[in-house]
Amino acid sequence: QQQVKQSPQSLIVQKGGISIINCAYENTAFDYFPWYQQFPGKGPALLIAIRPDVSEKKEGRFTISFNKSAKQFSLHIMDSQPGDSATYFCAASTASGSRLTFGEGTQLTVNP
Amino acid sequence: GAVVSQHPSRVICKSGTSVKIECRSLDFQATTMFWYRQFPKQSLMLMATSNEGSKATYEQGVEKDKFLINHASLTLSTLTVTSAHPEDSSFYICSANSDRGGAYNEQFFGPGTRLTVL
Repeated sequence: QQQVKQSPQSLIVQKGGISIINCAYENTAFDYFPWYQQFPGKGPALLIAIRPDVSEKKEGRFTISFNKSAKQFSLHIMDSQPGDSATYFCAASTASGSRLTFGEGTQLTVNP
Repeated sequence: GAVVSQHPSRVICKSGTSVKIECRSLDFQATTMFWYRQFPKQSLMLMATSNEGSKATYEQGVEKDKFLINHASLTLSTLTVTSAHPEDSSFYICSANSDRGGAYNEQFFGPGTRLTVL
């Protein structure tokens, strides 16, 4: 019940296209859903995060869509650029603590 | 923003030796720090949660006598891999919760430490 399922495992997108990564969770106590970007050999960096009281959050080219009833959330990267090529992780945590549960990761490649 | 550093960035050691990795919050106080390990092309696996001045809480399956964690101050946590073996080779990453009252439960991650045990 603590798992967060992420798909796809890998994604190839052309420059200028839209990258979409999906995550699903079971634990209804989760109330914080961040997305992290990780480049090879580096630590993860927070991209954008959402709480269940909103269905969408947008920051620049990055948008999180959240569907509470379906227990799913997704990351949309608009106008994808080669510099966006990285591994993306979704995560979730509960109100009672700050322990993050990570998805399996998606390796995104944006071709020029 | 909140910055977390790790030292060393990479270390190579012989089997049987111990290795200490430091994690520092540079511009904020971290009441809670987390230690993760990450194998190639895999997700981050939480090893333990440490709170300043108290014993760390280890995840199931993580040997607390092998991975010693000390959180002696609000800006420093250390992970010591004792009697390291080749299977301990991995990418170790720490993170810290900011006390600045920003985004709920926001964790800031360090750059990671690549450990190679020969």
